[in-house]
Amino acid sequence: AQTVTQSQPEMSVQEAETVTLSCTYDTSESDYYLFWYKQPPSRQMILVIRQEAYKQQNATENRFSVNFQKAAKSFSLKISDSQLGDAAMYFCAYRTTYGGSQGNLIFGKGTKLSVKP
Amino acid sequence: DAGVIQSPRHEVTEMGQEVTLRCKPISGHDYLFWYRQTMMRGLELLIYFNNNVPIDDSGMPEDRFSAKMPNASFSTLKIQPSEPRDSAVYFCASSPRRDTQYFGPGTRLTVL
Repeated sequence: AQTVTQSQPEMSVQEAETVTLSCTYDTSESDYYLFWYKQPPSRQMILVIRQEAYKQQNATENRFSVNFQKAAKSFSLKISDSQLGDAAMYFCAYRTTYGGSQGNLIFGKGTKLSVKP
Repeated sequence: DAGVIQSPRHEVTEMGQEVTLRCKPISGHDYLFWYRQTMMRGLELLIYFNNNVPIDDSGMPEDRFSAKMPNASFSTLKIQPSEPRDSAVYFCASSPRRDTQYFGPGTRLTVL
C-alpha cells in the first residue's frame, strides 16, 4: 500500500523569506499524481500545486514550486517570498491511477507553517 | 462554478440522534469523495463514488454510517445513531475523472 510521510510537523519562516516543506512517499507504481493542499484556519482544503509522475518538469504556480525526485520518491514544496497568508497546514497527497482505488487520495499528516512578520 | 457545496457548515447534536450531511459536487465531475478529518487520525477517506455508483466504501467505520448518491448533483452521508467519537470535520470533494480533487468547505460535526 502507498504511504505518504511528512517528517516536519511544524515549520516557521520569516515573511518574504523562502521555506521548503518535505514530503516522501512509498509506492511501487510508475504513474500517479502528487498534490500539495493548504488548509488555513478556516479549514478549507485548497489545492496549491499538482504534479504528474510521468512529467519530469517540476510544477510551478506563482510563488509555489515543487522539487519532484521520482527515483528518491520525494516531493518537496518551496514557497518563495512567504506572506502572512501562507500560514496554514500543508498536506502532501498521493493519488494512484491504477485499479479500483484510482480515486483515492492518500494524505500525509501535515506540516503546520507559521509565518513571522 | 460555485465549487463543492456542503451543508450544514456546523452541526451539533446529541448522542443517538441521526445526522445527515449533504454535498453538491462541481458540475461535470465524475467522482465524489467523503473524507473525515480528526486530530488523532488525520484525513481519512470514507467512501467514493464514480458516476453515482459507490466504488470503495472500505473506509466507512461501521454500519452506523451510510452514503448515497441518487444523482450526479447530490450526495448524502448519514450517521445513525451518532456517537461522540463521530465528532470531526467531514469533507466532500469532487474530481473530473482521475484528476485533481476539489474540496468543499467541510461540515464540523459535534456529537454531545
